[in-house]
Amino acid sequence: GAVVSQHPSWVICKSGTSVKIECRSLDFQATTMFWYRQFPKQSLMLMATSNEGSKATYEQGVEKDKFLINHASLTLSTLTVTSAHPEDSSFYICSANGQGLHEQYFGPGTRLTVT
Amino acid sequence: DQQVKQNSPSLSVQEGRISILNCDYTNSMFDYFLWYKKYPAEGPTFLISISSIKDKNEDGRFTVFLNKSAKHLSLHIVPSQPGDSAVYFCAAISYNQGGKLIFGQGTELSVKP
Repeated sequence: GAVVSQHPSWVICKSGTSVKIECRSLDFQATTMFWYRQFPKQSLMLMATSNEGSKATYEQGVEKDKFLINHASLTLSTLTVTSAHPEDSSFYICSANGQGLHEQYFGPGTRLTVT
Repeated sequence: DQQVKQNSPSLSVQEGRISILNCDYTNSMFDYFLWYKKYPAEGPTFLISISSIKDKNEDGRFTVFLNKSAKHLSLHIVPSQPGDSAVYFCAAISYNQGGKLIFGQGTELSVKP
């Protein structure tokens, strides 16, 4: 099956700093990647949809200036949490699908803790 | 508005028996429905999907049934194994609405030996 990786798997940062999370599709080209966050014992909440070579589409209530998304190639999308605060602490998961793939394949997730 | 709902937060089943996980939806424009399995601190793993034009899809121990008139789908796991214990998410996708996955709240399945 299709493999999606995320890096780092966990990160601790201080309040006010920025953190970049990478999402890579390892064995297929992903025209679209999605970023989710999950709070404990809750569902996955879609944050934004990222299309290669164009601006990301953010869901309602998600601050695009705070969560910067870049999808520079068909195998890489990055999420940068800028000026992180403790309330940004969460589990961030990316997913990817290629042309013709209706199944989205998920990365292993990144645990962000902001102190 | 919760378009995809899983009304049972948890389910406990004896090993070897059938597990039935349910999911309801409100949007008749969904094209595909998918089931994912998720362990804590890991990303969801795709299990099985079904097109909106089908009513059943089977893959090994996993079968998904779709009842479009009732806007209901279910995942059957037979026989259930302790390794099946995880949170199961139902999701739906509509290509006319951006192709993004809409997730249910999840059901935590516990299979007891």
